Order: sequence, then C-alpha cells, then structure tokens
Amino acid sequence: DAKTTQPPSMDCAEGRAANLPCNHSTISGNEYVYWYRQIHSQGPQYIIHGLKNNETNEMASLIITEDRKSSTLILPHATLRDTAVYYCIVRSDGGSNYKLTFGKGTLLTVNP
Amino acid sequence: DAGVIQSPRHEVTEMGQEVTLRCKPISGHNSLFWYRQTMMRGLELLIYFNNNVPIDDSGMPEDRFSAKMPNASFSTLKIQPSEPRDSAVYFCATRGGVFTEAFFGQGTRLTVV
Repeated sequence: DAKTTQPPSMDCAEGRAANLPCNHSTISGNEYVYWYRQIHSQGPQYIIHGLKNNETNEMASLIITEDRKSSTLILPHATLRDTAVYYCIVRSDGGSNYKLTFGKGTLLTVNP
Repeated sequence: DAGVIQSPRHEVTEMGQEVTLRCKPISGHNSLFWYRQTMMRGLELLIYFNNNVPIDDSGMPEDRFSAKMPNASFSTLKIQPSEPRDSAVYFCATRGGVFTEAFFGQGTRLTVV
C-alpha cells in the first residue's frame, strides 16, 4: 500500500472549516484513500473514503486531486468535539487481503 | 447493534502472568483485526482474521503473543508471559466485507507492572 504524509498538527477555530491535507504521491490506480479519526482514549472511527471522485457524507467531504497524488479532508464547521488525531490511509480494496495500516496522523485541535 | 465489544476495558497484571483479551465482533462481520497502540509506536496491526482463519500474523511481536478465533462471534489475544513493555491499549476491529469500513472497539488498556 502507498505511504501517506500528513502534517503532525493543525489548529482550527470552532465553527470554521478544517482542511486536513494528505500527500500520497505513490498511490496506484486501484488504491483508495480512507480517513479515520481517533478521539482521545477511544477506538479509531471511520470518516470517509474515495477512489477518484470527490465524496461527501454527513461527517465530512473528501477532495481528491485529479492526479490522485493528494487529498484534503474537509470538516465544514468544526466543533470542539472534532478535536482528534486524523489518519489518512491509502490501500487497495477488494479480496481477503485487507489491511489498514495507520501512520502518525494529524492532531487537529479545535479552539473555542 | 452494540458494536465491537472488548473485555476487559482495563487490566493490570504482574510481570510473568498470563493475560487474555477478548473481542466480540459485530454480528455478520467476517474480518477481525487486533491492533496495539503505544505512544512510541502508534497503532500497529498485530494480526487479522478472515472467516475465522488467520490471514496475516506478521505483526505479532513474538511467540509470547497468540490469537485465536474459534468461531465467528469471539476472538482472544493472549500474552504469556506478560512483560512491562506489553503495556499498551489493544484494539479489536471488525469489518463486514469488501468495500466496507472497519469498526473499532473501545480498547483494552493493559498495564503490566
């Protein structure tokens, strides 16, 4: 699976959009981009994933560049409860050989 | 559904003792994963099962660690004998099938003194 690069930390004001970048320049054609987050002392939580098109759900939006070498997770109106470590993971899907390998992620701190 | 259920939530044991961590997956999920998280090493995948069969145990640190999944509704991770460096939070996660996300339990915080 391709490796990802994320900034170690970011700050965001409550109510503003949080834009979390992820670089995955070695991504291959069949690899998806997944985002998870981990709120302190809890298990990681799935947020969203995509292949090449932008995706949106009730939690966030995922913007993937046309060359697929980077992506941005957008939390449109960040709240204090969104303070967490956000993990960007690239992996191929399908089949039984499934692995989710977590890097160090980005610690997002939402400030009042 | 109650989600992935792990027990115990906290475990304190003395060095050299056997420790067994338990996981009950979400009903119908056919893939199960054990992770370990420490400040130094982050989240590490230890082993994962598909349809109760271990697929990849390359992350298991050493022979003191063993994992079983005797049926679709139960898995254990055993450490024998335990050592202080095994202190960590251990997470179990399960997945329902291809193209679905993984759901994590709340973890077991293990302290070996």
